[in-house]
Amino acid sequence: GENVEQHPSTLSVQEGDSAVIKCTYSDSASNYFPWYKQELGKRPQLIIDIRSNVGEKKDQRIAVTLNKTAKHFSLHITETQPEDSAVYFCAANFNKFYFGSGTKLNVKP
Amino acid sequence: SAVISQKPSRDICQRGTSLTIQCQVDSQVTMMFWYRQQPGQSLTLIATANQGSEATYESGFVIDKFPISRPNLTFSTLTVSNMSPEDSSIYLCSVEFWEAGTGELFFGEGSRLTVL
Repeated sequence: GENVEQHPSTLSVQEGDSAVIKCTYSDSASNYFPWYKQELGKRPQLIIDIRSNVGEKKDQRIAVTLNKTAKHFSLHITETQPEDSAVYFCAANFNKFYFGSGTKLNVKP
Repeated sequence: SAVISQKPSRDICQRGTSLTIQCQVDSQVTMMFWYRQQPGQSLTLIATANQGSEATYESGFVIDKFPISRPNLTFSTLTVSNMSPEDSSIYLCSVEFWEAGTGELFFGEGSRLTVL
């Protein structure tokens, strides 16, 4: 199956700073790349996604970029807030969804 | 989006027993998946639940240990058989829901199993 690698595993930033999480995938057939936020004790929630025919997508403070040639995609969070603290997972999809290992983001007030 | 109801939400089980987790969706969906999330870990795909046929298992997961049923387009069950403490985990049902030509993956609340 697809192999998705995610870095870093933990990320600590000061409130107001930006955070960047990076993922790579192995299967060039993957065509959909969602990002999920999981708060402690809760289910993963979709926060943003990007499809293979798009290079960048933005939703308020969150943006995702995709480089199909290099097979990597990134999540960018600007003006971070304490409520952004959570575990973030990237995923790659072609018929099935495979997830990265997760990034624990800590935003310090 | 899809509303996914999963039960039990949590259970404590004895070693050697089996437990069945149910997943109900409020609309018909083609693709249903079962994931496992061990403490502090990522989401690992167990299998794709296929309606009307056997589930498709990922490497490392077998039908004897994780039998899955999918009798219709809104319901599926996952059984964790002959449990051991290593099976202590959160098991998540998920569905790919299509709307306006876009398919997104949604998760149930999860079933937290503790095996003693």
